[in-house]
Amino acid sequence: DAKTTQPPSMDCAEGRAANLPCNHSTISGNEYVYWYRQIHSQGPQYIIHGLKNNETNEMASLIITEDRKSSTLILPHATLRDTAVYYCIVRVDKEYGNKLVFGAGTILRVKS
Amino acid sequence: ETGVTQSPTHLIKTRGQQVTLRCSSQSGHNTVSWYQQALGQGPQFIFQYYREEENGRGNFPPRFSGLQFPNYSSELNVNALELDDSALYLCASSLAGVSGYGYTFGSGTRLTVV
Repeated sequence: DAKTTQPPSMDCAEGRAANLPCNHSTISGNEYVYWYRQIHSQGPQYIIHGLKNNETNEMASLIITEDRKSSTLILPHATLRDTAVYYCIVRVDKEYGNKLVFGAGTILRVKS
Repeated sequence: ETGVTQSPTHLIKTRGQQVTLRCSSQSGHNTVSWYQQALGQGPQFIFQYYREEENGRGNFPPRFSGLQFPNYSSELNVNALELDDSALYLCASSLAGVSGYGYTFGSGTRLTVV
């Protein structure tokens, strides 16, 4: 299974962009990259996902390198409520189904 | 559109007992996956159910079992509870057959085994 590597923690000033890196050098060609976040041990919340192209939605942007071995999640204007654990995840598809392979995540602390 | 609901929210059991956790999938979703999250760690895949059959399993012993019902809701059963089974159990629903489709997670059931 492909695995992801993320820095254990990052700080960001409120109102500034938060750039969260992720390495997934063993990703296969048809495996998607997903980003979720988790606040106070609630259920993970979907942020964004992509395969090859950069993606943007109302929450964030996802930049995937051309070789697909790494990606960056960008929160354009971080707020205190964005403080959470952010998971970069590879979705592994098999004949029998699919699963999300979580890493340890990055604790993002947004500070005023 | 309703989200994923799990019950109960918290549970305390004694070692050796059995427990059943329940999950109602999001409207329109036909696949349910279960994850175990130990304190301070990322969620770990237990198994997935589609069309009422197990459709993939992670590295968990047979005492972890599940069911999916015709309405796509699901149960997770754990027999012979051990202290290490204490964790947050997460249910996630999705729509099979749609490439790249996301998962919606519930808020989880916090199980404590004493």
